[in-house]
Amino acid sequence: DSGVTQTPKHLITATGQRVTLRCSPRSGDLSVYWYQQSLDQGLQFLIQYYNGEERAKGNILERFSAQQFPDLHSELNLSSLELGDSALYFCASSAGRRDTPGPNYGYTFGSGTRLTVV
Amino acid sequence: AQTVTQSQPEMSVQEAETVTLSCTYDTSESNYYLFWYKQPPSRQMILVIRQEAYKQQNATENRFSVNFQKAAKSFSLKISDSQLGDTAMYFCAFMKPHNNAGNMLTFGGGTRLMVKP
Repeated sequence: DSGVTQTPKHLITATGQRVTLRCSPRSGDLSVYWYQQSLDQGLQFLIQYYNGEERAKGNILERFSAQQFPDLHSELNLSSLELGDSALYFCASSAGRRDTPGPNYGYTFGSGTRLTVV
Repeated sequence: AQTVTQSQPEMSVQEAETVTLSCTYDTSESNYYLFWYKQPPSRQMILVIRQEAYKQQNATENRFSVNFQKAAKSFSLKISDSQLGDTAMYFCAFMKPHNNAGNMLTFGGGTRLMVKP
């Protein structure tokens, strides 16, 4: 168990629908990141939140949105779903402090949510 | 913007042999971090090894080591004494640290490694 919890693990939904993916970061981590991985490709950065505020945006579609709540968990909302949105969605967390080299520096990934749009 | 390139889509190695996975990157930054992540069939992203750009010494973690060539912007991963459990997708990733926030990773396209018995 990495300490980053993602739910649900699997999700099957129809085109045009809306879904919410949930992520609870590792205890003490302030930053949450969302990544999308399609068909054995590399991970694409979507968005980052730090202590409740949006900090960086990547290749995130306008149909997608996210937020981080006061308890630091985050939700990724995907709407008007298309077949091409089928992917593995990862959440990761990090401490978010200024770079402090150490054995645990870097990300901790959750196990992902596999979204299938049919 | 940073880019990360893994030129070997697939590789195979015999059990107990040594294999090297290649990674090159492009950046104008002088301070950054490089990572290798392993993604087994379970799809979990597992950190294999990390290298700080300001350190000249190559990182080593048990059977895993890197050859970091900063001037050439090259960051290869060597796996010694390959084991069947090393079979996975391997992703090279770049991170530029920012103050007061976390840091986004830029991933390469991955190399699928098959360890054969």
